[in-house]
Amino acid sequence: EVQLVESGGGLIKPGGSLTLSCAASGFTVTNAWMTWVRQAPGKGLEWIGRFKSKTDGGTIDYAAPVKGRFSISRDDSKNTLYLQMKSLKTEDTAVYYCTTEVVGDEPGDWYFDLWGRGTLVTVSS
Amino acid sequence: DIQMTQSPSSLSASVGDRVTITCRASQILSIYLNWYQQKPGRAPKLLIYGASNLQSGVPSRFTGSGSGTDFALTISTLQPEDFATYYCQQSYSSPPTFGQGTKLEIK
Repeated sequence: EVQLVESGGGLIKPGGSLTLSCAASGFTVTNAWMTWVRQAPGKGLEWIGRFKSKTDGGTIDYAAPVKGRFSISRDDSKNTLYLQMKSLKTEDTAVYYCTTEVVGDEPGDWYFDLWGRGTLVTVSS
Repeated sequence: DIQMTQSPSSLSASVGDRVTITCRASQILSIYLNWYQQKPGRAPKLLIYGASNLQSGVPSRFTGSGSGTDFALTISTLQPEDFATYYCQQSYSSPPTFGQGTKLEIK
């Protein structure tokens, strides 16, 4: 079965660090564009960053609010994507989703396809 | 960043109604606009990609239209399972951005 399963969320104090995992099954993360999207309680969706497939360069991009604090990595042997979060702020409280991107031939021709169920991160003292 | 504005923010409708949700972008997107449905406690689900392409498995009562800066999602005959929050998302340029969401509620 093709699926994504996030884990690692929890309660963390402001300024703390946390690492989220996204375990993939049914496909290889190396060959996929993998993205983290978050959703604050009762709010909309916010893109955090993506890890492009190896064939497309394997580059990583971040959203401005998290650049320098969050880091995305991938362990191909475990078929898992990670989101390392440092210097956490209360405004980072959200459900964090891992998702894949289906990419077409044109630069804008892509969409979010497979989603995990998310993991809740609560930043509070 | 491209700003996405959906309207209305919330909408009350009845089973069987036809509803339309609109999404306006702050810059021209060509056709690079996607629509998602999200139910409480669940991850978003892709409905429409490339402005008007129906994702496999999505009922044909969902229709996407538009290009440039103005887009719409229409549900032709509301079913009970359609009451949810809907988001548009532009894929034209990075960073990808979402509309604020439209909550569709039962009247």
